Amino acid sequence: EAGVTQFPSHSVIEKGQTVTLRCDPISGHDNLYWYRRVMGKEIKFLLHFVKESKQDESGMPNNRFLAERTGGTYSTLKVQPAELEDSGVYFCASSQEADNSPLHFGNGTRLTVT
Amino acid sequence: AQSVTQLGSHVSVSEGALVLLRCNYSSSVPPYLFWYVQYPNQGLQLLLKYTTGATLVKGINGFEAEFKKSETSFHLTKPSAHMSDAAEYFCAASDTGRRALTFGSGTRLQVQP
Repeated sequence: EAGVTQFPSHSVIEKGQTVTLRCDPISGHDNLYWYRRVMGKEIKFLLHFVKESKQDESGMPNNRFLAERTGGTYSTLKVQPAELEDSGVYFCASSQEADNSPLHFGNGTRLTVT
Repeated sequence: AQSVTQLGSHVSVSEGALVLLRCNYSSSVPPYLFWYVQYPNQGLQLLLKYTTGATLVKGINGFEAEFKKSETSFHLTKPSAHMSDAAEYFCAASDTGRRALTFGSGTRLQVQP
């Protein structure tokens, strides 16, 4: 079984540019999550999809961030325009339906905004 | 709002020594509790979880954690450290009915030969 895959693994962009991160969850996992870890700090929840619907987007920092999951399969997270404080590691995770089923994490995308 | 505190951003032990990584949560209602491990250049991997029932939870790689409601703690232990245990460990909690995890700030474990 393929795990959660994220692309790209690294991205370096300039302030003001746009970046799109992609996450492919484990096949059959309806729940998809985005998390972010800013340098040296805790991993913070961004949002949660159930299939193609946003279940909880309370962690999205501002309207420069747009997440989509068209068709309920892969998801994208777009940052436009990027700011310096957006630098960090963006993790995607997926899980099955059960309430306390474990999250399976991808390796993350390291975003550096210069 | 739920918060998770991990005492010690860095812990160093000798190979063969006891590993103890501390985690406290803030919720008055016991949440679901998890420990994840991250090896370099990899994603987070679930070590163990507590939902309900037995308060001593055994996980992979010889790790275990004990849920103590009176102390709002969920400390992670391993009797004998191996070099391969060197990694960053994260404690996390989720309130029942909400699937989003609240993470602690992580503890980097170093194992000395």
